[in-house]
Amino acid sequence: DAEITQSPRHKITETGRQVTLACHQTWNHNNMFWYRQDLGHGLRLIHYSYGVHDTNKGEVSDGYSVSRSNTEDLPLTLESAASSQTSVYFCASSETERDVTDTQYFGPGTRLTVL
Amino acid sequence: KQEVTQIPAALSVPEGENLVLNCSFTDSAIYNLQWFRQDPGKGLTSLLLIQSSQREQTSGRLNASLDKSSGRSTLYIAASQPGDSATYLCAVMNRGSTLGRLYFGRGTQLTVWP
Repeated sequence: DAEITQSPRHKITETGRQVTLACHQTWNHNNMFWYRQDLGHGLRLIHYSYGVHDTNKGEVSDGYSVSRSNTEDLPLTLESAASSQTSVYFCASSETERDVTDTQYFGPGTRLTVL
Repeated sequence: KQEVTQIPAALSVPEGENLVLNCSFTDSAIYNLQWFRQDPGKGLTSLLLIQSSQREQTSGRLNASLDKSSGRSTLYIAASQPGDSATYLCAVMNRGSTLGRLYFGRGTQLTVWP
């Protein structure tokens, strides 16, 4: 069965370190998204991609970067981790950008703690 | 900018009750609206998706309605069960430049007790 996976599921790191969170989907979806979820804010969009070599900034992109070298993967990199980036991170994918019946499929999340 | 609000933030009911969760959004130019379920420590599972041209969708004991002109949606859960306990999130997909991205509400945390 097709799925979307994230790794690691839990990560503890120190301020200033570079961290990469992996996202892998086997749906062959063009669209991929990274969200963070925080108490009091809900889910907020960090970066998104509509296809290979395409990346775009979301509403909370500062301090994060992504690259899309193939259809299946969209890794999220924290260039220099900050305590404000302690959060739960969700990756999602969807099939086409112009299909109004499009459903987003979410990964299980990565809980990141920056000390 | 699209803003999505969910009321109430938390709800605790005895098993068997019918209940309504509310969602409102500020920009009516949407492609669709989705309701998700999130269990503690888990990802999001899509429950129902309503296209902008539709008024409602049903799945089992769940019924979601959409009034696009007033910017409102409701999720109706019939005969609630303890297994329905979870956080329910409403999300809209806008027409416009950022196709595919979702705007989320903060969720309603539901507890159904036996």
